[in-house]
Amino acid sequence: GAVVSQHPSRVICKSGTSVKIECRSLDFQATTMFWYRQFPKQSLMLMATSNEGSKATYEQGVEKDKFLINHASLTLSTLTVTSAHPEDSSFYICSAGRPVDGYTFGSGTRLTVV
Amino acid sequence: KQEVTQIPAALSVPEGENLVLNCSFTDSAIYNLQWFRQDPGKGLTSLLLIQSSQREQTSGRLNASLDKSSGRSTLYIAASQPGDSATYLCAVDDMRFGAGTRLTVKP
Repeated sequence: GAVVSQHPSRVICKSGTSVKIECRSLDFQATTMFWYRQFPKQSLMLMATSNEGSKATYEQGVEKDKFLINHASLTLSTLTVTSAHPEDSSFYICSAGRPVDGYTFGSGTRLTVV
Repeated sequence: KQEVTQIPAALSVPEGENLVLNCSFTDSAIYNLQWFRQDPGKGLTSLLLIQSSQREQTSGRLNASLDKSSGRSTLYIAASQPGDSATYLCAVDDMRFGAGTRLTVKP
């Protein structure tokens, strides 16, 4: 079955630094990748949708300059949290796939900013 | 803008019971609908994918139905087990999620 690899699974960084999270589709090509964040005991919040080769579409209220998304190929998308602050601490999850096939999720990245 | 709602928000049942989780969506022009489960602190696992042309999908003890015209989907879990305890989420094709149903199956 389709596998999406997301790493790192956990990262602790200092306030003011940037963190990059990778999302790879291992055995299929993903025309679309989604990035979500999830606060404890809350549902997933869609941050942005990225299609290969084009700029990401951000949801209202999500700062595009803070959460940089690059979808350079059909198998790789990256989310960079720039100048991270403690309030950015959260669980970030990506998903990848195509409408006809449905979507597969990565295992998530727990970001802690200290 | 598509809105996805799940009812109930939480459900607790004894082991062995059959149960139904509900998902509704406001825009019936969907391509597909997926059901997922999420264990605490973990990513999501896809359970069932229903294309818009289909009415139901089955996998083991799980059965999902789709009624596009009414904007509803149900996930039926037969003979529930403690291992089924998790949060169940539905998402339509632009991957907007409902808030989920937190299921607890008591031994």
